[in-house]
Amino acid sequence: NAGVTQTPKFQVLKTGQSMTLQCAQDMNHNSMYWYRQDPGMGLRLIYYSASEGTTDKGEVPNGYNVSRLNKREFSLRLESAAPSQTSVYFCASSFGRWMNTEAFFGQGTRLTVV
Amino acid sequence: KQEVTQIPAALSVPEGENLVLNCSFTDSAIYNLQWFRQDPGKGLTSLLLIQSSQREQTSGRLNASLDKSSGRSTLYIAASQPGDSATYLCAGANTGNQFYFGTGTSLTVIP
Repeated sequence: NAGVTQTPKFQVLKTGQSMTLQCAQDMNHNSMYWYRQDPGMGLRLIYYSASEGTTDKGEVPNGYNVSRLNKREFSLRLESAAPSQTSVYFCASSFGRWMNTEAFFGQGTRLTVV
Repeated sequence: KQEVTQIPAALSVPEGENLVLNCSFTDSAIYNLQWFRQDPGKGLTSLLLIQSSQREQTSGRLNASLDKSSGRSTLYIAASQPGDSATYLCAGANTGNQFYFGTGTSLTVIP
C-alpha cells in the first residue's frame, strides 16, 4: 500500500531553471495539497485541489503552478527557480476536505536552488 | 489568518514519563484539529483528528483534547518510550479549506 508517492526525493537546481515535482496517491482521495516546510516557519500551503479538475491558491502560491492531471496525480511546477524556493516540499491527500478527514503525506522532496 | 503556536519548541524527558504537548490558536472558529508526528527526513503521519463536534480523541497511549473557547489543544502521551522521539505538529482548519500548522515540538525520550 504505497499511499502518497513523491518524486524526486532530492533535487538541486540552478537559479532560473524549471522543474516539476510529481505526486501520486493510490487511496482514491478527492483532495490533494502541496506544502513547503521551512525551518522556523512550519508548513505553508502552496496550492490545493479539492477535487479532480479544480485547483486553488493557498498561502504562498507565487512562483508556482499546479496541475491536477487526474484523480491520482497532482504536480507542482517551478517555472523559474529562485533561491527563496529552497525548501522541503510535501504533497498530501485526504478523502474529503481538510475540515473533516485524516490527511496523508508523502515523504517529501528536498529542493535546493543555487 | 489562523496563527498556531506550539510550546515548548523542544522537550526532553526520561522514558516512562507522562507528558503534555501544547498547541494554541488565535481563531476560535477552528473547525477541526489534527496532531501529526514527523520523524527526521520523513513526511508527516496523522495521529489524531478532532472534529468540530468533538472535544477529544484517544488512540492507544495518546489522547488529544480541543478547547475552542480557550483556543487550545493538548496532546497527552502516557508512559513515554524512546520510539516516541519525533517532532509533533498540530494543525487547525477553519472554514475555507485552509489548514494552518504550528512549528512543532521536538520530543526526545531518553532511555
